[in-house]
Amino acid sequence: DIQLTQSPSFLSASVGDRATITCRASQDISSNLAWYQQKPGKAPQLLIYAASTLQSGVPSRFSGSGSGTEFTLTISSLQPEDFATYYCQQINSYPLTFGGGTKVEIK
Amino acid sequence: EVQLVESGGGLVQPGGSLRLSCAASGFTFSDHYMDWVRQAPGEGLEWVGRIRNKANSYTTQYAASVKGRFTISRDDSKNSLYLQMDSLKTEDTAVYYCAGVLSPGARYGPFGYWGQGTLVSVSS
Repeated sequence: DIQLTQSPSFLSASVGDRATITCRASQDISSNLAWYQQKPGKAPQLLIYAASTLQSGVPSRFSGSGSGTEFTLTISSLQPEDFATYYCQQINSYPLTFGGGTKVEIK
Repeated sequence: EVQLVESGGGLVQPGGSLRLSCAASGFTFSDHYMDWVRQAPGEGLEWVGRIRNKANSYTTQYAASVKGRFTISRDDSKNSLYLQMDSLKTEDTAVYYCAGVLSPGARYGPFGYWGQGTLVSVSS
C-alpha cells in the first residue's frame, strides 16, 4: 500500500499568513494526487487534483505543486474560512489512501 | 446541482449487518465511478471501496479492512449506490460518505462529489 505522510499535523497561523502543507508518498505516484478541505461536521471538499489543477470554484489563493513522491499545498494568504483540516489523497493505485491530515488553526 | 444523500446508518450490534444507500442527482450517475469513504470519530479519512461504471463491468475494489465483509453495488436505473455491511465490528464505527469520481470513467479521478455522511455505530 502507498503511505502518505502529511506535515505538519497541526499548523497555527494568522489571517493573511502563507501556509504550506507537505504530503510525501512512500512510492512514485506521478501526479495522481488530490487535496481536500474538511470543516467540522462537514464532508470533505475537493480543492486540487492532478497535483496542481484547481477545482472549479476554489479560490486562487490555493495552489498545489509536486510530482513523484513530494507534493505541496499552499494557501497564499489565509482567510478566516480556510481554518479547517486538509487531506491529501493518492489515486494512483489501490487501495486508495489518504494522508493523516493537517489541522490549520487560528493563532 | 449535484446532490448525494446517504441513508441507512444507525446503531448495530457487533456481528450484525447494515445496508447504506446513497441517492444521487444532478449528474449522469451511470457514467461515474462511485466510492465509499469512512471517518471514525476524531480520525482521518479511510477509503472503503469503489464500484466502476457499466462500461467497466461494474467491477469493484475494496480496502483490506472490509474485504469479504462489505459489498458495494449500484442501481443506475435508480441513481443509487449501496454499501452492504456484514459481520460488523466495533472498529467499523464511523461516518460513511459516498463519493463520486469527478470525471466520468476516469481511472485517476479525484472525488469531486460527496454526500453529507451517515453515522454507523457498532456497539453492544
